[in-house]
Amino acid sequence: GDSVIQMQGQVTLSENDFLFINCTYSTTGYPTLFWYVQYSGEGPQLLLQVTTANNKGSSRGFEATYDKGTTSFHLQKTSVQEIDSAVYYCAMRDYDSGYNKLTFGKGTVLLVSP
Amino acid sequence: EAAVTQSPRNKVAVTGGKVTLSCNQTNNHNNMYWYRQDTGHGLRLIHYSYGAGSTEKGDIPDGYKASRPSQENFSLILELATPSQTSVYFCASGDAQANTEVFFGKGTRLTVV
Repeated sequence: GDSVIQMQGQVTLSENDFLFINCTYSTTGYPTLFWYVQYSGEGPQLLLQVTTANNKGSSRGFEATYDKGTTSFHLQKTSVQEIDSAVYYCAMRDYDSGYNKLTFGKGTVLLVSP
Repeated sequence: EAAVTQSPRNKVAVTGGKVTLSCNQTNNHNNMYWYRQDTGHGLRLIHYSYGAGSTEKGDIPDGYKASRPSQENFSLILELATPSQTSVYFCASGDAQANTEVFFGKGTRLTVV
């Protein structure tokens, strides 16, 4: 079945470090891919999205590139700040459900120390 | 600003009791979702709906029912609550188009004792 895999449960960095969060997916169709961010005490919110047409998304200094060959959609940021501390989720809307179903990975907790 | 409101925000229920979690959205979105969030599991989809009167099973529907009586409202029902259903539940809404954002409520913390 469809799935989204995030292997990193937690990432701990210092300010100005480079961030890389791995995400891979499995589906039979052409998905639309998202990164959501969840700050403490809140619901998740959209960070960025990518369709197979444009291959790359960016927002607030974060970037993600869709790679159909490796079915990956990694998130990266050149220089993280303490305010980036949050939980990051990779997510997918799949073609087979008519893009109605939205599936999330297990999430990656990012801790950034000053 | 898209608005998704969940009630109650906190709930303590007894094992074997019936629990109803309610969700209301004022965005006129066709799709609505119920997720539960647990450490080590992330957000898991319980049920979703693509319009009034429709409900679809998500990835972990066992022990849960859903009801979508109108465009605005989507309820999650636990007929016989169990301690394993202790979790934080999130409702969300979104348009049906592939590349559109889904908006989440603030969550309901449910404890089953």
